[in-house]
Amino acid sequence: DGGITQSPKYLFRKEGQNVTLSCEQNLNHDAMYWYRQDPGQGLRLIYYSQIVNDFQKGDIAEGYSVSREKKESFPLTVTSAQKNPTAFYLCASSALGGTGNTIYFGEGSWLTVV
Amino acid sequence: QKEVEQNSGPLSVPEGAIASLNCTYSDRGSQSFFWYRQYSGKSPELIMFIYSNGDKEDGRFTAQLNKASQYVSLLIRDSQPSDSATYLCAVRGPGGYQKVTFGTGTKLQVIP
Repeated sequence: DGGITQSPKYLFRKEGQNVTLSCEQNLNHDAMYWYRQDPGQGLRLIYYSQIVNDFQKGDIAEGYSVSREKKESFPLTVTSAQKNPTAFYLCASSALGGTGNTIYFGEGSWLTVV
Repeated sequence: QKEVEQNSGPLSVPEGAIASLNCTYSDRGSQSFFWYRQYSGKSPELIMFIYSNGDKEDGRFTAQLNKASQYVSLLIRDSQPSDSATYLCAVRGPGGYQKVTFGTGTKLQVIP
């Protein structure tokens, strides 16, 4: 089935650790995104990428890093510089071009600092 | 001014009524507009999108866009308890950029 797979679904991070969230899509989409959602809040854009080996910072990129070595994959690393990383992380993708290209979401990853 | 603004609610409507959800955006060059539904603890799912001024209907849902007023709305007819969720408005930026910005969402409660 076509879709976006995020893993792990639940992740616990110790203080000072870097952790990486995986995102893979088989929709042949060029654009991929990472959003963060805090309880009762909307989605805030962390990074997005329109093409392999290129990505742009979103509104809250500090403390995060990404790579886009393959079209299908857009992993997000939450570094120790991110002081309050506990949140729900959503990966998404869309086709490029046209006004109606929809963003589709993975099931999300819950990250908790312990 | 936030790029995309929504009233956080909760908006309470009786079962069978029309629910009206509103969203305003700041970038006049924005191209396309999306409504998503999100149940608690789940990822957002697309309801519909609109990019031309006017109304677009899909089943019980109608999206309305007024670019002059920078306003987009979602009407839900014959509201059902299963419609109780948070509704997110999303806006795609102008030009070749693919940045999509979300509002904070409006929580809808449909009372049986």
